[in-house]
Amino acid sequence: SNVLTQPPSVSVAPGQTARITCEGTSIGSKSVQWYRQKPGQAPVLVVFDGGDRPSGIRDRFSGSKSGNTATLVISGVEAGDEADYYCQVWNNQVWDDNSDQWVFGGGTKLTVL
Amino acid sequence: QVQLVESGGGVVQPGGPLRLSCVASGIRFSSFGMHWVRQAPGNGLEWVAFIRYDGNKKNYADSVKGRFTIARDNSKNTVYLEMRNLRPDDTAVYYCAAAGNQWLDPWGQGTLVTVSS
Repeated sequence: SNVLTQPPSVSVAPGQTARITCEGTSIGSKSVQWYRQKPGQAPVLVVFDGGDRPSGIRDRFSGSKSGNTATLVISGVEAGDEADYYCQVWNNQVWDDNSDQWVFGGGTKLTVL
Repeated sequence: QVQLVESGGGVVQPGGPLRLSCVASGIRFSSFGMHWVRQAPGNGLEWVAFIRYDGNKKNYADSVKGRFTIARDNSKNTVYLEMRNLRPDDTAVYYCAAAGNQWLDPWGQGTLVTVSS
């Protein structure tokens, strides 16, 4: 199974750029998604397929990947960005439909100072 | 506007069963795969199960395989999660979510399942 490792916490001052990493073997060959979850709320997709954004998500959110590490970049951080962020990939075996798994990272708490 | 509404959560004794439901509106439900994801108190997200749009493909996390069953009724725009032999570590908020290509979007607000005697 693919384990995705995220830092437990990231802190950034308002207006600065936050970078949240997600490390995993074979991540370089996978589509990586990012979700934001505010306290008491359901997760919301903010970046999919590595760098695309759903409608309604501001272009301050972007994604990148290098080797086995994917990164969520939040530019011009605002107080409202304070939340938990999760990365996610789809693990599949072409020869075995029954083995598909959707894997989440452990989550990163973004604190806006 | 797409809306997913979960129901069926509650308190159940260890070893007991429970069935969760998720009703979808605002989407062509029969065209979308559906997921269940759970989140234990204070913990991160854990994917639980997936069902394809036609119900003919199902996948499960190893932690629930053999105990949980995902099903759907496209005539009722509803996906279910049948849970049996529940354990205290199954205590969590359970979310349903629509399946994108490889992502989950949107999500419902969740329903809390507490396994306790």
